[in-house]
Amino acid sequence: GEDVEQSLFLSVREGDSSVINCTYTDSSSTYLYWYKQEPGAGLQLLTYIFSNMDMKQDQRLTVLLNKKDKHLSLRIADTQTGDSAIYFCAENPYSSASKIIFGSGTRLSIRP
Amino acid sequence: DTGVSQNPRHKITKRGQNVTFRCDPISEHNRLYWYRQTLGQGPEFLTYFQNEAQLEKSRLLSDRFSAERPKGSFSTLEIQRTEQGDSAMYLCASSLEPRNTIYFGEGSWLTVV
Repeated sequence: GEDVEQSLFLSVREGDSSVINCTYTDSSSTYLYWYKQEPGAGLQLLTYIFSNMDMKQDQRLTVLLNKKDKHLSLRIADTQTGDSAIYFCAENPYSSASKIIFGSGTRLSIRP
Repeated sequence: DTGVSQNPRHKITKRGQNVTFRCDPISEHNRLYWYRQTLGQGPEFLTYFQNEAQLEKSRLLSDRFSAERPKGSFSTLEIQRTEQGDSAMYLCASSLEPRNTIYFGEGSWLTVV
């Protein structure tokens, strides 16, 4: 089946690293995504990783993929107040290449 | 190109009325998707188009919902006889086959009173 799970909340101190975790169930997923959603706004594609990769780095963002455990993580280095948002993990199952399946989102809050 | 555009951004309607949302995808994107998002949840897939052809519909898309993409460019999502349970944000997205990077619009908020 298709299911993506994330923890609901994460609180970090400004300047620290944030690590948001996600597990997915469809081992055939070809792409895995991280989207950011600010209050009242749509979804912003942050980054994505192809299933044959283990890691992808893009400026302050690092994505790690463990296919064996079906675990995806997003690390945000030097977390800033502007990073406060809900972060969605999503998979693109091979069985349904037309759509992506989202988790419920992790709300990241930054404390001074 | 400014990305995926949706309008109206907000719509308040009385129960039983019909509403229509419009989506303009990124130019030349041949795939267009509709998702629905309720408070505290991730977006849920409703339907998608490859050019003008509607290729997949979710079970969430009841008979009161209809989506069109007549010329393979913009799309409309119509909800007939709205119910309070239809209150949600309706998100449109587009992508360029075969790449699977899917870009979302800002969403259209629907409140049914």
